[in-house]
Amino acid sequence: EPEVTQTPSHQVTQMGQEVILRCVPISNHLYFYWYRQILGQKVEFLVSFYNNEISEKSEIFDDQFSVERPDGSNFTLKIRSTKLEDSAMYFCASSMVRESTGELFFGEGSRLTVL
Amino acid sequence: AQSVTQPDIHITVSEGASLELRCNYSYGATPYLFWYVQSPGQGLQLLLKYFSGDTLVQGIKGFEAEFKRSQSSFNLRKPSVHWSDAAEYFCAVGGQTGANNLFFGTGTRLTVIP
Repeated sequence: EPEVTQTPSHQVTQMGQEVILRCVPISNHLYFYWYRQILGQKVEFLVSFYNNEISEKSEIFDDQFSVERPDGSNFTLKIRSTKLEDSAMYFCASSMVRESTGELFFGEGSRLTVL
Repeated sequence: AQSVTQPDIHITVSEGASLELRCNYSYGATPYLFWYVQSPGQGLQLLLKYFSGDTLVQGIKGFEAEFKRSQSSFNLRKPSVHWSDAAEYFCAVGGQTGANNLFFGTGTRLTVIP
């Protein structure tokens, strides 16, 4: 069964360092997303991406964040200068269509720990 | 604005017992409602969804959920829990016009005891 894969599964970094989280969405999907979950809190929407550009983003997704689809398969989330409060589980997701159905397929998550 | 509340942080049930996980939502129009499950080391998996029509929806793994507009609820149920159901369960609401992102609750962790 097709699945969304994410790497790394866990990354530990020093505050101020750049981090890139990688995702391989399901191959025929067109919409890509990043969500995050700070420990004990809600899963929060960060950004959606379609046709090589951001289609929506939340207030969380500030200038420190960027997304990219550098080739036909990978979808990356970059945090330019990490802060302690960026420590969270980051989930990538993809979907076939946009139509507000919300049928997202999620990866297993990348846990980011900022020290 | 959309929001989801899952009042129970952690629930423990015996294997074979029935289960109900609560979810309340806030949304101005007809919501799209979802339940996702996250097993240890796994990604979020869609259990079931409600868009319209029959308010009792069936999902995978023997789960069902009932949409009650009057109570703004979408509770998840299973008549007989299996040990493999131990996981984190997330309720989510979506459907804002032009959007395809979801608003999640904080999750309910289910422990199943023999």
